[in-house]
Amino acid sequence: LAKTTQPISMDSYEGQEVNITCSHNNIATNDYITWYQQFPSQGPRFIIQGYKTKVTNEVASLFIPADRKSSTLSLPRVSLSDTAVYYCLVGDADQAGTALIFGKGTTLSVSS
Amino acid sequence: DAGVTQSPTHLIKTRGQQVTLRCSPKSGHDTVSWYQQALGQGPQFIFQYYEEEERQRGNFPDRFSGHQFPNYSSELNVNALLLGDSALYLCASSLGQSSYNSPLHFGNGTRLTVT
Repeated sequence: LAKTTQPISMDSYEGQEVNITCSHNNIATNDYITWYQQFPSQGPRFIIQGYKTKVTNEVASLFIPADRKSSTLSLPRVSLSDTAVYYCLVGDADQAGTALIFGKGTTLSVSS
Repeated sequence: DAGVTQSPTHLIKTRGQQVTLRCSPKSGHDTVSWYQQALGQGPQFIFQYYEEEERQRGNFPDRFSGHQFPNYSSELNVNALLLGDSALYLCASSLGQSSYNSPLHFGNGTRLTVT
C-alpha cells in the first residue's frame, strides 16, 4: 500500500482558499486517492476521490498531476466550521479486501 | 436513510476484561471495516468483513476478533483488555470490498476506556 505524507498542520482565515498537498511517491497504477475530514469525537467523513487530473464536487476540488506522485485538496473560501483534521489516503481500486491506511492527517485551523 | 450506527457510545472496562462493540452499516452496504483511533492519531485498520468472513486484517493481535451477521451488522470483540486498548473504535461500511466508487461511511465510534 502506498504511503502518504502530509503537513502536520495548517492555519488559515475565513474566506481564504486552502490547499493541502499530499505526497504519495510510490503510488501504483491501480491506486486511487481519497480525502476524508474528521471533527473531534466523530468518525471521518468522505470529501472527494480521484484517479487523475481534476475532480470537483460541491465542497472541494482535487488536483492530481500527470505523474500522480502528489495530490492537492483545495477548499474554497473556508469557514470556521472547516476546522478539522484532513486525511489523504491511497488505495487499490481493483484489489478485493483493500484496507485504506490513514496517516496522522493535516490539522487545519481556521480563524476569523 | 440511517447512516452507520455504533453502540455503545462510551464504555469503561477493567484490565483483563472482555468487550463487545456493535455496528450497523449504512443501508445498502454489505462490507464492514473496523478501525482503532488513539488520541491524536489517525485511525488504524483492524479488519474488514465481507460475506460474513474476515477478508483482510491489520497488525492487531488475536485478542481482537470479529463477526459479521447475515444482515451485514458486525461485532468487534476484544479479549484480555490492556490499558493500551483505550481508544475510539470506529466502524465503517461500504458496498463491496474495494472502496473505489463506494467510499467508506464511518460511524461516530465507541469510546473505550480501560482502567
